[in-house]
Amino acid sequence: AQSVTQLGSHVSVSEGALVLLRCNYSSSVPPYLFWYVQYPNQGLQLLLKYTSAATLVKGINGFEAEFKKSETSFHLTKPSAHMRDAAEYFCAVRLIQGAQKLVFGQGTRLTINP
Amino acid sequence: GAGVSQSPSNKVTEKGKDVELRCDPISGHTALYWYRQSLGQGLEFLIYFQGNSAPDKSGLPSDRFSAERTGGSVSTLTIQRTQQEDSAVYLCASTLRETQYFGPGTRLLVL
Repeated sequence: AQSVTQLGSHVSVSEGALVLLRCNYSSSVPPYLFWYVQYPNQGLQLLLKYTSAATLVKGINGFEAEFKKSETSFHLTKPSAHMRDAAEYFCAVRLIQGAQKLVFGQGTRLTINP
Repeated sequence: GAGVSQSPSNKVTEKGKDVELRCDPISGHTALYWYRQSLGQGLEFLIYFQGNSAPDKSGLPSDRFSAERTGGSVSTLTIQRTQQEDSAVYLCASTLRETQYFGPGTRLLVL
């Protein structure tokens, strides 16, 4: 069965600083990987996805993530944080074949300090 | 274009009552999912519809929960005899290939 671990339920960075949100996954077969963002009182919005093409994936709002099979990781980064990046971020995994439900991590709440 | 829509956006009900939550997927998307987001449990898969295949109900927490999808489009999630632990945000998603697109959710509060 797949699982996702997001290290750090809360991350706080200063405006302009590097954002690094960690995600490690467990899957018996190569998966698809996703990062979603949830702003207060809103649904989930897709940031980026890995679907077995390029290992460095660029998404919206300046975010990117790198798939590292050897580390079973898919960490999310952004070089310079903006106040508008304050939100909750979810990493999710899905099998390429078979069960197609998303398995989510517990989420990381990102706070941006002025 | 139009995204996934859900109604109502908020629902307050009394313990023991039945509720129906509606999801309108993106036109042309063949798969539809329901998830539940709650403080203690995070985001949990509930049920999945794909075309005319039998739904995957493996995530439904009890037999009080059921869902149907009519005409391959609109879906309704029904919770019978609601309990306080059913209070959560219920999210619907529809799928184009490997990507799930989420609606804004229905926030359910059971008093």
